[in-house]
Amino acid sequence: QVDLVESGGGVVQPGRSLRLSCAASGFAFDKYGLHWVRQAPGKGLDWLAAISYNGNNEYYADTVKGRFTISRDNSKSAFYLQMNSLRVEDTAVYYCAKGGVVVAGALDSWGQGTLVTVSS
Amino acid sequence: DIQMTQSPSTLSASVGDRVTITCRASQSISDWLAWYQQRPGKPPKLLIYDVSTLKSGVPSRFSGSGSATEFTLTISSLQPDDFATYYCQQDNTHWTFGPGTKVEI
Repeated sequence: QVDLVESGGGVVQPGRSLRLSCAASGFAFDKYGLHWVRQAPGKGLDWLAAISYNGNNEYYADTVKGRFTISRDNSKSAFYLQMNSLRVEDTAVYYCAKGGVVVAGALDSWGQGTLVTVSS
Repeated sequence: DIQMTQSPSTLSASVGDRVTITCRASQSISDWLAWYQQRPGKPPKLLIYDVSTLKSGVPSRFSGSGSATEFTLTISSLQPDDFATYYCQQDNTHWTFGPGTKVEI
């Protein structure tokens, strides 16, 4: 079965950086797109970024474009979210998710999430 | 960017009720529409993709319909496990979630 496990969350000061990781197993990792989605406390889901199966195409929400970078390492079945210039409003649970073949389509499997708290 | 809206934002219902949630897109998204269920403290779960295709293992009481800009999620007979928040999501142009509909007792 598909398993996605996030790590790297924690408390960070505004303006600092953090890198989240997602370890994947149970599927042909190098054939699927991958996503990051966040959820602020008590709020809805906020799609952040996606990367194509081979890493050649990246997609970002306007709210994080230029600050966040998604990447993947197919040799390790892992992908990442580099978050720079963090703001208080970036405080949220961050989920990694598996997308469709190549990248298109719905997010059919999700990790349990990792909490990022941006606070001074 | 494509914006998604959902109605109602909260829905009060009882076990056995038929429930319908509406999702609207700000422009046509063809059939690139998915529905997710999220219980408190848990990650979202994909229920339906491509408007009406049930993910394997999802009970048949869930169904989806619609096209272009207006879509619905229907639960034919609400079960105790179904009290949760439901999100629609478009994947026609990037990915955007609706604001969610909380189904409560």
